[in-house]
Amino acid sequence: QKEVEQNSGPLSVPEGAIASLNCTYSDRVSQSFFWYRQYSGKSPELIMSIYSNGDKEDGRFTAQLNKASQYVSLLIRDSQPSDSATYLCAVNNYGQNFVFGPGTRLSVLP
Amino acid sequence: SAVISQKPSRDICQRGTSLTIQCQVDSQVTMMFWYRQQPGQSLTLIATANQGSEATYESGFVIDKFPISRPNLTFSTLTVSNMSPEDSSIYLCSVEDGLGAETQYFGPGTRLLVL
Repeated sequence: QKEVEQNSGPLSVPEGAIASLNCTYSDRVSQSFFWYRQYSGKSPELIMSIYSNGDKEDGRFTAQLNKASQYVSLLIRDSQPSDSATYLCAVNNYGQNFVFGPGTRLSVLP
Repeated sequence: SAVISQKPSRDICQRGTSLTIQCQVDSQVTMMFWYRQQPGQSLTLIATANQGSEATYESGFVIDKFPISRPNLTFSTLTVSNMSPEDSSIYLCSVEDGLGAETQYFGPGTRLLVL
């Protein structure tokens, strides 16, 4: 069974620090990787997608993918209290369904 | 990305009744999905809503309990039948962007409480 694992948290970081969120997956042939942010009481919203090994940067967010280690991470630089949310990692193989991780709850302390 | 709306946004229902949730997209999409998110949990795929044919259900979900319609490429409904308190959850519709990357975007969700 395909699995996606994340630390449930909560992960607490001070405002202005770097938050590092990690995700591992079991299906070696996975090809697409996504990070979603979900505020309490809201639906998930897409932050980043990454398909190739290495880093992908978008503003304060950097996604890192290492397919050999089956590991994907999300770094949030200059963390703000508004970044406090649950971050969901999702993994997909073309033609198959998304598999979501349990999510990591991030708390950015002012 | 597509704009997705769901109705109702929330409801409180009595045990044994049924609720139909609607999902409307502002553009034609090939793939539509229904998820459930129980309190404090991650997303669980219920089924893929196929246009013109029966939905494809995931293990643990059956058509009698969660009938799905997909009459066209912009609309789908999910019915939660014969509800019990265990069905209290958030139900989310999602669509795939159809641009080859298979990225999914979510509607605002329907918050269901069954008493």
